Amino acid sequence: GQNIDQPTEMTATEGAIVQINCTYQTSGFNGLFWYQQHAGEAPTFLSYNVLDGLEEKGRFSSFLSRSKGYSYLLLKELQMKDSASYLCALPPPNTPLVFGKGTRLSVIA
Amino acid sequence: EAGVTQFPSHSVIEKGQTVTLRCDPISGHDNLYWYRRVMGKEIKFLLHFVKESKQDESGMPNNRFLAERTGGTYSTLKVQPAELEDSGVYFCASSQAELYEQYFGPGTRLTVT
Repeated sequence: GQNIDQPTEMTATEGAIVQINCTYQTSGFNGLFWYQQHAGEAPTFLSYNVLDGLEEKGRFSSFLSRSKGYSYLLLKELQMKDSASYLCALPPPNTPLVFGKGTRLSVIA
Repeated sequence: EAGVTQFPSHSVIEKGQTVTLRCDPISGHDNLYWYRRVMGKEIKFLLHFVKESKQDESGMPNNRFLAERTGGTYSTLKVQPAELEDSGVYFCASSQAELYEQYFGPGTRLTVT
């Protein structure tokens, strides 16, 4: 089966950098997704990592270590609009996404 | 390009009634998924269509839930009869292929009273 663990809540200051961790266990690895979800809205895709290392996309970067079952999402130059839930998700073999419970990030002034 | 759309955005029904949710995927996306998020819990997979065929319905909670995708375009999810524990937000997503980025709709918030 699959298991995903993320911190429930985090708070960070506008302009700062925050790292949101995700650890996982899975019987077969097909990559890891990060989604952003604002309250009352649909999840929106942020990144997909399938190889080890850091992938950068503007202010957002995602890191993966397959051997450690570990990923993180790095958000730089935080803005108030970055306040949202960040969901780590796995596509297990042959079935669609399994989501973690998400990390609720609050950005404060 | 239009995104994934869902209708209705909100639905409040009484226990025992029937509700049908609709999802229109992005045009050309063969893969369509239904997910549900109940209060305080993670988003959970319900089922996956490839065109009009059910690829995986292992997440469907019980036989009160029926999903269809006639013609391989839009999909409906019917709950009959609805129970209190069915309350939650039902999301639909579509993708060009499996393991590709899934685009989510805005969700339908279902409240069963």
